[in-house]
Amino acid sequence: QQQVKQSPQSLIVQKGGISIINCAYENTAFDYFPWYQQFPGKGPALLIAIRPDVSEKKEGRFTISFNKSAKQFSLHIMDSQPGDSATYFCAASIRGGSQGNLIFGKGTKLSVKP
Amino acid sequence: GAGVSQSPSNKVTEKGKDVELRCDPISGHTALYWYRQRLGQGLEFLIYFQGNSAPDKSGLPSDRFSAERTGESVSTLTIQRTQQEDSAVYLCASSPVFSGNTIYFGEGSWLTVV
Repeated sequence: QQQVKQSPQSLIVQKGGISIINCAYENTAFDYFPWYQQFPGKGPALLIAIRPDVSEKKEGRFTISFNKSAKQFSLHIMDSQPGDSATYFCAASIRGGSQGNLIFGKGTKLSVKP
Repeated sequence: GAGVSQSPSNKVTEKGKDVELRCDPISGHTALYWYRQRLGQGLEFLIYFQGNSAPDKSGLPSDRFSAERTGESVSTLTIQRTQQEDSAVYLCASSPVFSGNTIYFGEGSWLTVV
């Protein structure tokens, strides 16, 4: 029940296209859903995050869509650029819960072709 | 520095030797996490410290792994009698509050056991 399932494992998109990465969870107590971006040789860095009281959050070319009833959330990267090529991790956590750590998906390796 | 600092950045050790990996969290961050990331894989939770509370050690893979934290500062992850399967990047992260907030990762310590 603590799993976060992420798909696809890898994704190739042409420059200017839309990249879509999906995540699903089971634990309805999760109330914080961040996305992390990781470049090779670097630690993950927070990209964007959402709480379940909203269905969408947009920051520049990056949008999180959240479907509470389906227990799914997704990351959309509009006008994808080669510089977006990285591994993306979704995650979930319970604010104030006894477990302090984020539960991460297994990651999606995105390659944006010029 | 302003970010999470980890040392060493790279470590090559012989099978059977002990290693210590150090993490210096962001000043004032009460929570500290260790994750393991095998090559091309996701983030595997190891251990979590929150202030003076007992650490959550539920992710440690075996009794060869241990971690300590001095107050709300430096943490050391120790791997005893290293095995080849311990080869991975060990990522440390910190956050300012208990959970449900951004965690900030260091760049990791790359461990290779030969």
